[in-house]
Amino acid sequence: AQTVTQSQPEMSVQEAETVTLSCTYDTSESDYYLFWYKQPPSRQMILVIRQEAYKQQNATENRFSVNFQKAAKSFSLKISDSQLGDAAMYFCAHVSNFGNEKLTFGTGTRLTIIP
Amino acid sequence: GAVVSQHPSWVICKSGTSVKIECRSLDFQATTMFWYRQFPKQSLMLMATSNEGSKATYEQGVEKDKFLINHASLTLSTLTVTSAHPEDSSFYICSAPRTSGTEQYFGPGTRLTVT
Repeated sequence: AQTVTQSQPEMSVQEAETVTLSCTYDTSESDYYLFWYKQPPSRQMILVIRQEAYKQQNATENRFSVNFQKAAKSFSLKISDSQLGDAAMYFCAHVSNFGNEKLTFGTGTRLTIIP
Repeated sequence: GAVVSQHPSWVICKSGTSVKIECRSLDFQATTMFWYRQFPKQSLMLMATSNEGSKATYEQGVEKDKFLINHASLTLSTLTVTSAHPEDSSFYICSAPRTSGTEQYFGPGTRLTVT
């Protein structure tokens, strides 16, 4: 079974600064997808970024980028130039590329942006 | 992007009654949908996988007779909480993948309060 671990329950960052959220996972599969989802106070889950395990290149989406270390089973999220709208819960998630497409979520990291 | 809706967004019901929550994929067909439960300040807990044309698959510990799932069409899944009790009060979220192996699209969630 897959597990996803987020060891930082809370993080804070000064506006315009950079912050990195940590995520590790455990899986016996070689082909899978990893995601970072954001859940703002509205509680709507929003996809931030996606990484395919077979791609060595780290995914980037504007101010968001990941550091994907497959051998270490690590998948951290870096947010550059933090903005007030980035304040939210961030969940790391894993899904197998085979079978039933069930997402496995980490416990989440609450990110606070300090003006 | 793909849109998933949920109805109602908030429902209050009396203990012992049943309540139905709808999840619709608005611009794509979903043979599979997922139902999650989220307690305050916690992660999403997968309850069951809704399969169009067949029975739902429940996660361990989830009472299938209490949480009835029906995937009536390729765009609609319903979750019925039967004989609701205050401990069933929670935030329920559905999701659906538009294509296999990609990110899932989440509904906005339904807040259930049982009095």
